Amino acid sequence: EAGVTQFPSHSVIEKGQTVTLRCDPISGHDNLYWYRRVMGKEIKFLLHFVKESKQDESGMPNNRFLAERTGGTYSTLKVQPAELEDSGVYFCASREESTEAFFGQGTRLTVV
Amino acid sequence: GDSVTQMEGPVTLSEEAFLTINCTYTATGYPSLFWYVQYPGEGLQLLLKATKADDKGSNKGFEATYRKETTSFHLEKGSVQVSDSAVYFCALSDPWGSGYSTLTFGKGTMLLVSP
Repeated sequence: EAGVTQFPSHSVIEKGQTVTLRCDPISGHDNLYWYRRVMGKEIKFLLHFVKESKQDESGMPNNRFLAERTGGTYSTLKVQPAELEDSGVYFCASREESTEAFFGQGTRLTVV
Repeated sequence: GDSVTQMEGPVTLSEEAFLTINCTYTATGYPSLFWYVQYPGEGLQLLLKATKADDKGSNKGFEATYRKETTSFHLEKGSVQVSDSAVYFCALSDPWGSGYSTLTFGKGTMLLVSP
């Protein structure tokens, strides 16, 4: 069974540009989460989808971040325009009800 | 709000040494506790978990006991191997089992094991 897949694995963009990260969860997992780890700090929750609905987006830093999950399958996280402080590793995770969360490898975003 | 504090790294050990990585937490409810591990170039993997006080989670020779009285969940291994070199994250979820629960992580502790 395929795990959680994230694209791209690395992205280097200039300040002011737009970047879109993608996450393909494990098939059948209704719950999808985005987390971010800024260098040397905690992994922090960004938002949570249940199927295509945003259940909790309290961790989204600001309105430059937009997450979507059309059709309740894969999800995208767009940063527009990117700022230097957006650099970090973005993790996606998915889970079924009452099971552990399975994480992807993460996307390392560097804004220069 | 909920928080997790774990010891700063890197922790550098020789092969077969004893490992302890300290983790303490603050939570309003009765959280479940986890250790996740990230090996180089890979994603986060669940290493072990404990869902209630005095539970011991164990996996791959690692152990951690849920201590409610000290709000701790220290990770231990009796004899580390070079292949254990990774970043270890302590985390909590409050409450476990809910479809809406999210994870609160510590900063991570890098473990480097030399031959």
